[in-house]
Amino acid sequence: SQQGEEDPQALSIQEGENATMNCSYKTSINNLQWYRQNSGRGLVHLILIRSNEREKHSGRLRVTLDTSKKSSSLLITASRAADTASYFCATDERLTGGGNKLTFGTGTQLKVEL
Amino acid sequence: KAGVTQTPRYLIKTRGQQVTLSCSPISGHRSVSWYQQTPGQGLQFLFEYFSETQRNKGNFPGRFSGRQFSNSRSEMNVSTLELGDSALYLCASCEDSLSDTQYFGPGTRLTVL
Repeated sequence: SQQGEEDPQALSIQEGENATMNCSYKTSINNLQWYRQNSGRGLVHLILIRSNEREKHSGRLRVTLDTSKKSSSLLITASRAADTASYFCATDERLTGGGNKLTFGTGTQLKVEL
Repeated sequence: KAGVTQTPRYLIKTRGQQVTLSCSPISGHRSVSWYQQTPGQGLQFLFEYFSETQRNKGNFPGRFSGRQFSNSRSEMNVSTLELGDSALYLCASCEDSLSDTQYFGPGTRLTVL
């Protein structure tokens, strides 16, 4: 089942603009991660933010986490055509048997036009 | 280090057949998880293996099974294929049970005709 809902489902912007994607989830989490997927290929890990963190940066990426609202946002600044992809949030749940299980959101399709 | 590899990359099968997909994790990674991605259901957790043992399982029928070998390589098997099994199957690995970041392979695109 999908834990997260992402908003918007699709986003089209011009190169150089900023892109913001939002993710909401339902249960308590260990951490939240963002992944990128190009055209039905594998998932590329972008950034991980732990439940006790509120904001994290990595290059042009900025992620925020609000556990009280059960939501997160991903901001890509100064977007490039190469950023065109689908972006997924995933909540990480520690399982009683050990290990983790990622529960993914529905994804945001980002298109960056020249 | 080399990334997660999956073979084959593309597969076409007919209903009723069975299929085996293979995943080689990043060297040193002991945990391997499998996910199914479809347009309708999105990304869903299938199961996770650690040290040759299935530790966790998602909500999939028994037709979906897997195993892990002593070198951490993993295979998943789907028996009696159905049209709805057409999907991108993704494998992910991480170092151990305390690691949070899962690294994904390129996936195997399975088409069931």
